[in-house]
Amino acid sequence: AQSVAQPEDQVNVAEGNPLTVKCTYSVSGNPYLFWYVQYPNRGLQFLLKYITGDNLVKGSYGFEAEFNKSQTSFHLKKPSALVSDSALYFCAVRDLGGYQKVTFGTGTKLQVIP
Amino acid sequence: DGGITQSPKYLFRKEGQNVTLSCEQNLNHDAMYWYRQDPGQGLRLIYYSQIVNDFQKGDIAEGYSVSREKKESFPLTVTSAQKNPTAFYLCATLTGSGSYNEQFFGPGTRLTVL
Repeated sequence: AQSVAQPEDQVNVAEGNPLTVKCTYSVSGNPYLFWYVQYPNRGLQFLLKYITGDNLVKGSYGFEAEFNKSQTSFHLKKPSALVSDSALYFCAVRDLGGYQKVTFGTGTKLQVIP
Repeated sequence: DGGITQSPKYLFRKEGQNVTLSCEQNLNHDAMYWYRQDPGQGLRLIYYSQIVNDFQKGDIAEGYSVSREKKESFPLTVTSAQKNPTAFYLCATLTGSGSYNEQFFGPGTRLTVL
């Protein structure tokens, strides 16, 4: 069975500082990893994905994520946080060898403080 | 604009009543999904459908039913057998075909049982 863990319920960061939102995963085969963002009472918006290749993936709104196979992690990062980045962030995983089921983490609330 | 429409945005139901949530897409995507979102629990898969006239149970299908008579539509019925239906419900599609694709989400329906 595949799973995703987001160990932090909430991350607080000052505006202009770098931010990291953590994610670890477990799959039986090669992972296919995603980050999504959700604003209040809205659906999820796709940020970025990792399939294969370069371990540093760049996505929307200046976000990037670093894939680390040995640590089974896929942390979301941004060099300089904006107040408008405050939202709920979800990490998700799908086994490339499996059916098209995606497993989501429990979400991390990012609060950027002005 | 291509996208996913979920209606209504807010829905109130009395205990013991069945209610149907609408999900319509004009993206020409084959696969469609229903998720339930509760605070602190992330997204949990209720049902998914790969093609018309075919659907599979997800992780929490009890008390829910779906149909997929048309490619564009994947309605979810919350039955009286669902003991705790108050939640935010998200419909999603899978962009394109093949393995290297991501989910696209609708704006959600918030269901409250009175």
